[in-house]
Amino acid sequence: DTAVSQTPKYLVTQMGNDKSIKCEQNLGHDTMYWYKQDSKKFLKIMFSYNNKELIINETVPNRFSPKSPDKAHLNLHINSLELGDSAVYFCASSQLSLADEQFFGPGTRLTVL
Amino acid sequence: AQRVTQPEKLLSVFKGAPVELKCNYSYSGSPELFWYVQYSRQRLQLLLRHISRESIKGFTADLNKGETSFHLKKPFAQEEDSAMYYCALSGGSNYKLTFGKGTLLTVNP
Repeated sequence: DTAVSQTPKYLVTQMGNDKSIKCEQNLGHDTMYWYKQDSKKFLKIMFSYNNKELIINETVPNRFSPKSPDKAHLNLHINSLELGDSAVYFCASSQLSLADEQFFGPGTRLTVL
Repeated sequence: AQRVTQPEKLLSVFKGAPVELKCNYSYSGSPELFWYVQYSRQRLQLLLRHISRESIKGFTADLNKGETSFHLKKPFAQEEDSAMYYCALSGGSNYKLTFGKGTLLTVNP
């Protein structure tokens, strides 16, 4: 299936731990994104990579570090997890243009205890 | 700066009734506007975009530059339309997509 996939689907961890979320797309897109959806369902862009280069970096704590090993992958590593990091994290991909559709992954629900 | 406002957090209508989900935007340039939908237990997906000027699942949206609005409308709501709807704006040199806070539509039988 052509799609955007994320692993894991659920992640439960303790405060202070370090965790990673992986994202892969096989749609041949140039651009990938990470979004955070909070408990109120508010969806906010965190990062965007185009051809492995960072093009959007919103006001996100330094504990969050994206890594793009190639165009098809964008991983999110989070250090020293805090309670406020609990959210659903969505990966997405698109071609880089003003009007192109973004294709979203199924989301990773992160719970920090 | 780009901003998208969806004034209604919740909207409840009966099946067969008309529905309008409001969206207003703020952007100094010429934006592209979208509506995305998230059905229960499904991923976020594009419903329609301004540039296509098409009707999807009976929904339409007209860009009104004078009122800076992009309201989503459907003349006869169906139960399967129940979902979270997000209005989004794409603009800037990095084509950043900014989402509104979403409106949860419930269509009652």
